[in-house]
Amino acid sequence: QVQLQESGPGLVKPSQTLSLTCTVSGGSISSGGYYWSWIRQHPGKGLEWIGYIYYDGSTYYNPSLESRVTISRDTSKNQFSLKLSSVTAADTAMYYCARDQGAYTIEYWGQGTLVTVSS
Amino acid sequence: EIVLTQSPGTLSLSPGERATLSCRASQLVSVNFLAWYQQKPGQAPRLLIYRASSRATGIPDRFSGSGSGTDFTLTISRLEPEDFAVYYCQQYGSSPLTFGGGTRVEIK
Repeated sequence: QVQLQESGPGLVKPSQTLSLTCTVSGGSISSGGYYWSWIRQHPGKGLEWIGYIYYDGSTYYNPSLESRVTISRDTSKNQFSLKLSSVTAADTAMYYCARDQGAYTIEYWGQGTLVTVSS
Repeated sequence: EIVLTQSPGTLSLSPGERATLSCRASQLVSVNFLAWYQQKPGQAPRLLIYRASSRATGIPDRFSGSGSGTDFTLTISRLEPEDFAVYYCQQYGSSPLTFGGGTRVEIK
């Protein structure tokens, strides 16, 4: 059973960089066919896909956030990470990491971590 | 990007009743790559349906998905108390992946 767990600061100052890590257990992030994804949900709102890192290390980002987003991985720790630069209050949200199985889409999600952008 | 419009915004029903939720896409959803999720307060979304009509692992058969092209439907045949939640559709046939705004199913 794959499990994902987000970690990182819950409070980030405006203009700084938000950094989160997702630790995966029960499966390797290097195994074939999976897209390791970040998704966020603004308070009381819907879901927004941020981007993913594929098992081979390639990345793809939502064009709306592409200029500020970097997703990377550490295969030795079985972790992948999100960096979002130049944050504003509009980036306050619950951030989820997840495993996307392509045709079978996103079946496994982390529990989410709330990040507040405030001075 | 493909915009998904869900209706109604809120559905007020009683346990045992049938729920019909709609999701309309602004463009054709490639290969009918359309999914439905259930989300309860304080929890991550839970995958119910993928590829428009296939139930995910462990999902009861009272949940069914249908539709193709730009119009999709999630049906809950008989609402159980645990089914009152928010439901989202998601398309994953085109990048970027996008989600609908959600339908809240509340107890009448």
